[in-house]
Amino acid sequence: DIQMTQSPSSLSASVGDRVTITCRASQAISNYLAWFQQKPGKAPKSLIYAASILKDGVPSRFSGSGSGTDFTLTISSLQPEDFATYYCQQYKSYPLTFGGGTKVEIK
Amino acid sequence: QVQLQESGPGLVKPSEALSLTCTVSGGSINTYYWHWIRQAPGKGLEWIGYISDSVSPNYNPSLKSRVTISVDRSRNQFSLNMKTVTAADTAIYFCAGSRGRFQLIDYWGQGTLVVVSS
Repeated sequence: DIQMTQSPSSLSASVGDRVTITCRASQAISNYLAWFQQKPGKAPKSLIYAASILKDGVPSRFSGSGSGTDFTLTISSLQPEDFATYYCQQYKSYPLTFGGGTKVEIK
Repeated sequence: QVQLQESGPGLVKPSEALSLTCTVSGGSINTYYWHWIRQAPGKGLEWIGYISDSVSPNYNPSLKSRVTISVDRSRNQFSLNMKTVTAADTAIYFCAGSRGRFQLIDYWGQGTLVVVSS
């Protein structure tokens, strides 16, 4: 199985802050990497796929980068609706695996 | 727009089987890969398995001995059956869909909480 390691596991930030979350795969996954946002009581919502492609309707303050084993999700200016938990997920091989999540909280 | 809705018992006794159904609307059951994913309370996401037309089901090795995913094309539904459950199987179960085997899981149901308890 490919292990996905996210860091940090949680962070506190203020509205307007730039936030960066990292995700590392235990083996190379090319760009088969997605980022999801999950709010309490809701299903995950996809934000980015193929490591850097923004899904339609996702605000441009979200961006993704990376290839191989190291990936980054950046929120350029944190907004109130961005406080949530973020997960990375690889879809290069099965079983599909997710990172442990990063909870973004209000400072 | 594809929409998914899980249904099934919210409470299952230990050692019994868990059975959930996902109803697909707005799209053909024959077109996508259909997944089950779960999330234990306060924990991360765990992929359980998928089924797709003309392809054998694929299961997470950690659960493979206890899990069966099947499809009912006449009802546009797919189902999860997990036998011999324990408290560790208490989780929110999501059904989900992707356009291909190595593509983004793009469609999600709202999730259904299953508690394993006597």
